[in-house]
Amino acid sequence: DSGVTQTPKHLITATGQRVTLRCSPRSGDLSVYWYQQSLDQGLQFLIQYYNGEERAKGNILERFSAQQFPDLHSELNLSSLELGDSALYFCASSVRGDQDTIYFGEGSWLTVV
Amino acid sequence: SQQGEEDPQALSIQEGENATMNCSYKTSINNLQWYRQNSGRGLVHLILIRSNEREKHSGRLRVTLDTSKKSSSLLITASRAADTASYFCATDNAGNMLTFGGGTRLMVKP
Repeated sequence: DSGVTQTPKHLITATGQRVTLRCSPRSGDLSVYWYQQSLDQGLQFLIQYYNGEERAKGNILERFSAQQFPDLHSELNLSSLELGDSALYFCASSVRGDQDTIYFGEGSWLTVV
Repeated sequence: SQQGEEDPQALSIQEGENATMNCSYKTSINNLQWYRQNSGRGLVHLILIRSNEREKHSGRLRVTLDTSKKSSSLLITASRAADTASYFCATDNAGNMLTFGGGTRLMVKP
């Protein structure tokens, strides 16, 4: 158990819908990351937050957004869902958010039908 | 785009044998991290090796890093059936934005 908690574990939704994935980082970690794992794209970095502020942005679609709250938990919002958004979405956390060990959660399986 | 590329893509060995997986990358890095993923499950952190380190050990795991060749290797000694998983290398070359390779699927037969 990495200490990173993600909910929900599984989610099935229809195209065009919006979902929110939630993440609680490890105790004491200030930085949160979101990654997407799909069969065709592999593991891709989406976005990073550090202590509530966006720090880095990767291959995140405009239909996707994220935020980190004052209690350091984070949410990833996915809207106008398409079939191709079906993937395993990981949240990860680290202490400093810079060159330190990154711990991943179990992921949220999203299936868009 | 993928920074790290693992080799081989798949590896099948008998229990008790050693397993070696290689990772190559393209640009300079701050550190390289190895992860294990059991089928459809979360990523488990194995080892972080920094650019100024050449070798690290953790239990039955040994990781080497050759920055001149831009490559790393993960050795699992005395493998067990429970080591069956996919193994990923991930490079950190810009402030903790990890770039993952495609992974090596390891099967350890009892």
